[in-house]
Amino acid sequence: KQEVTQIPAALSVPEGENLVLNCSFTDSAIYNLQWFRQDPGKGLTSLLLIQSSQREQTSGRLNASLDKSSGRSTLYIAASQPGDSATYLCAGYDNAGNMLTFGGGTRLMVKP
Amino acid sequence: GAGVSQTPSNKVTEKGKYVELRCDPISGHTALYWYRQSLGQGPEFLIYFQGTGAADDSGLPNDRFFAVRPEGSVSTLKIQRTERGDSAVYLCASGEGHTQYFGPGTRLTVL
Repeated sequence: KQEVTQIPAALSVPEGENLVLNCSFTDSAIYNLQWFRQDPGKGLTSLLLIQSSQREQTSGRLNASLDKSSGRSTLYIAASQPGDSATYLCAGYDNAGNMLTFGGGTRLMVKP
Repeated sequence: GAGVSQTPSNKVTEKGKYVELRCDPISGHTALYWYRQSLGQGPEFLIYFQGTGAADDSGLPNDRFFAVRPEGSVSTLKIQRTERGDSAVYLCASGEGHTQYFGPGTRLTVL
């Protein structure tokens, strides 16, 4: 059974700092990996999807990488802003590309 | 275009009552998923529909939980004899290929 872990559970940084959020998974047979953002009391917003054959994806100030052999993914946020404050979740798709297994999330606070 | 919608947004019920949670997926999406998110945790998979049939219901915690999707569009998650431990946010997602789009969730509180 796939298990996904996110470290750290919470992170507080000053505005403008570059930061890295970590995600590890136990089953290297993971299919795609997706990073989400969740604001308090809200649903999930997809940030980046790394497909099985890819190693990274970029969108604006965000860059996500995937290394299946080591069971790791990272989300890099450049020049962080207070508006980036949210919980960030990573999730891996099973081999059939159906079920998502989520990590516990990293709660990020960017202080002005 | 319209995203995934869920109703109600909040539901408060008493222990032992029956509740129904509704999900309207993005039009044309054949896949529909239900997840449950407890406070401070990531969502956990409950059930996955492909069309009208439940392709994988391995995440349903027990037989008090049941979900249907009779016409391959709207889905209803049904919880019988609710318990306080059922309190959580219930998220629905629909998708095509290997991408899922999430609704805002229904926050269920069992008193």
